[in-house]
Amino acid sequence: VQLVESGGGVVHPGGSLRLSCAASGFTFGDYTMHWVRQAPGKGLEWVSLVYWDGGSAFYSDSVKGRFTISRDNSKSSLYLQLNSLTTEDTAFYYCARDLGVYRLTRFFFDSWGQGALVTVSS
Amino acid sequence: EIVLTQSPATLSLSPGERATLSCRASQSVSSYLAWYQQKPGQAPRLLIYDASTRATGVPARFSGSGSGTDFTLTISSLDPEDLAVYYCQQRSTWPLITFGQGTRLEIK
Repeated sequence: VQLVESGGGVVHPGGSLRLSCAASGFTFGDYTMHWVRQAPGKGLEWVSLVYWDGGSAFYSDSVKGRFTISRDNSKSSLYLQLNSLTTEDTAFYYCARDLGVYRLTRFFFDSWGQGALVTVSS
Repeated sequence: EIVLTQSPATLSLSPGERATLSCRASQSVSSYLAWYQQKPGQAPRLLIYDASTRATGVPARFSGSGSGTDFTLTISSLDPEDLAVYYCQQRSTWPLITFGQGTRLEIK
């Protein structure tokens, strides 16, 4: 299992960014996927999830209405569109696979990428 | 929102000693609790899920216990490589998933 995030960078407050996560080593379309973030030196915060078929997605209250999760199973890729960014969104963003096998969602995370750093600064 | 409170904030022990980390939930999460290990500069790693089930490849010296509101992660005999921050996480109120603030484990 390998998860590789990309798309991080520096953006001004109010700006936008799109993160990508390339998955390999497993049948991507069978798994619910998550984004989890971690501000530098701080704890973990769940951000969003999308079910295996992309049919349903959920968000934490802190990002609802500003972030959009999506996936392309044909490309084994997960995405996170970040809009209306604030300094409080500065964090490492991890792509994580759900523990549940074959389209079962367990809401635990058994594989993680290395993280993409998003820095929101003027 | 269920709040997870971890204690102690920092734990300093010697190799071979037993480590006991606590996670307390503000309301019952049944057994829907996991533990993660995050070594410096690395992504988190799943250790325990469903309160007491070890994840694939996790050494037997790691064990989890508890249910309801009180949970414990025990490392039976510390190895220097166990230096890390340990987080608990609940999924009882999915999709609102929450983490504890972490316990930093230092090896003397």
